[in-house]
Amino acid sequence: DGGITQSPKYLFRKEGQNVTLSCEQNLNHDAMYWYRQDPGQGLRLIYYSQIVNDFQKGDIAEGYSVSREKKESFPLTVTSAQKNPTAFYLCASSIPGQGARQPQHFGDGTRLSIL
Amino acid sequence: GQSLEQPSEVTAVEGAIVQINCTYQTSGFYGLSWYQQHDGGAPTFLSYNGLDGLEETGRFSSFLSRSDSYGYLLLQELQMKDSASYFCAPNRDDKIIFGKGTRLHILP
Repeated sequence: DGGITQSPKYLFRKEGQNVTLSCEQNLNHDAMYWYRQDPGQGLRLIYYSQIVNDFQKGDIAEGYSVSREKKESFPLTVTSAQKNPTAFYLCASSIPGQGARQPQHFGDGTRLSIL
Repeated sequence: GQSLEQPSEVTAVEGAIVQINCTYQTSGFYGLSWYQQHDGGAPTFLSYNGLDGLEETGRFSSFLSRSDSYGYLLLQELQMKDSASYFCAPNRDDKIIFGKGTRLHILP
């Protein structure tokens, strides 16, 4: 079955440590996205990528970095510069297309906590 | 500018009908999506309106009026499993914008 796989499901970070969240999709989607969700809040866009080797900052990119070396993979690194990283991180993918339906398919998320 | 408004919480009774309204303002608007998210889970896609009017999918319907920058999600024959958060999400040419969502509480 096609889908998006995020790993790990739970992640703990020590102060001053960088951590990388994995996101892999086998839907053959060109576009991939990273969102952050805080308790009781909506989804805020961190980074997105419309095509391999290209990505753009979302609304809250500071303290995060991404890469898009392969179509299937869009890992997110939470750097030590992100002072409040505790949140639920969601990866999504979609078929980009102006004016077309572009439902986003989400992974099951990674919960990141600070030790 | 960019804005997105929907009620933070709505309460309804099992078996009833509920409407969740959404008003938005964004550049490059193409359509309006709706997503459902249960506690602890990932959002799932419910519906998309690219044109004005009503789209129906089973118990759920969604409406869009571009001229009013307004849409709504209509849930009929409410079931306890419909207790979740519902997100109105304007689609732009490059990304989808999510707001804070509406928490739907269903009473037996």
